[in-house]
Amino acid sequence: QKEVEQNSGPLSVPEGAIASLNCTYSDRGSQSFFWYRQYSGKSPELIMFIYSNGDKEDGRFTAQLNKASQYVSLLIRDSQPSDSATYLCAVSSNDYKLSFGAGTTVTVRA
Amino acid sequence: GAVVSQHPSRVICKSGTSVKIECRSLDFQATTMFWYRQFPKQSLMLMATSNEGSKATYEQGVEKDKFLINHASLTLSTLTVTSAHPEDSSFYICSARGHRERGSNQPQHFGDGTRLSIL
Repeated sequence: QKEVEQNSGPLSVPEGAIASLNCTYSDRGSQSFFWYRQYSGKSPELIMFIYSNGDKEDGRFTAQLNKASQYVSLLIRDSQPSDSATYLCAVSSNDYKLSFGAGTTVTVRA
Repeated sequence: GAVVSQHPSRVICKSGTSVKIECRSLDFQATTMFWYRQFPKQSLMLMATSNEGSKATYEQGVEKDKFLINHASLTLSTLTVTSAHPEDSSFYICSARGHRERGSNQPQHFGDGTRLSIL
């Protein structure tokens, strides 16, 4: 059973600040790593995906992957109230199945 | 981007009723579809993997006779919750992968989910 661990939060940040989300995973064979955003009552929405060690930037979002430490993170720069949501970390290996963390709830204070 | 449509969005029904949920890929052929369940304040739990033209593979602890999955075409998979009871009330979400998306390095596309409430 693959395990994906996230701090449940809530993580409260002021508008304009950086929100930093962390995720660790147990399966060293994991190959693909995803961050999803989920608003209350809605289905997950893909934010970022990363496959290789290092950083990947997309707009205000940066994903960081360290396979040796089995750690993946998401940074949200210039946080906006609309970023308030639960952020789910998910990992998969060659069976295409996604294992999700419990999610971190982020609240951006205006 | 790729779109996955899920229907219905919400179902409220009596205990003992069977409920069918449809998941359609609108602009791509989905060789694999996944069904998840999410209880309040919990994460998504994979229930089963559905490959077109073959039997679904269920995760440990998921009753295949209670959650019937059919993936008869490359654009449609259905999940039927048979003889539903209040403990089956949950948020059911499907996702799909296209046949051109070789390897595990492609994101899944999620439907909007179905909120099932059994009275």
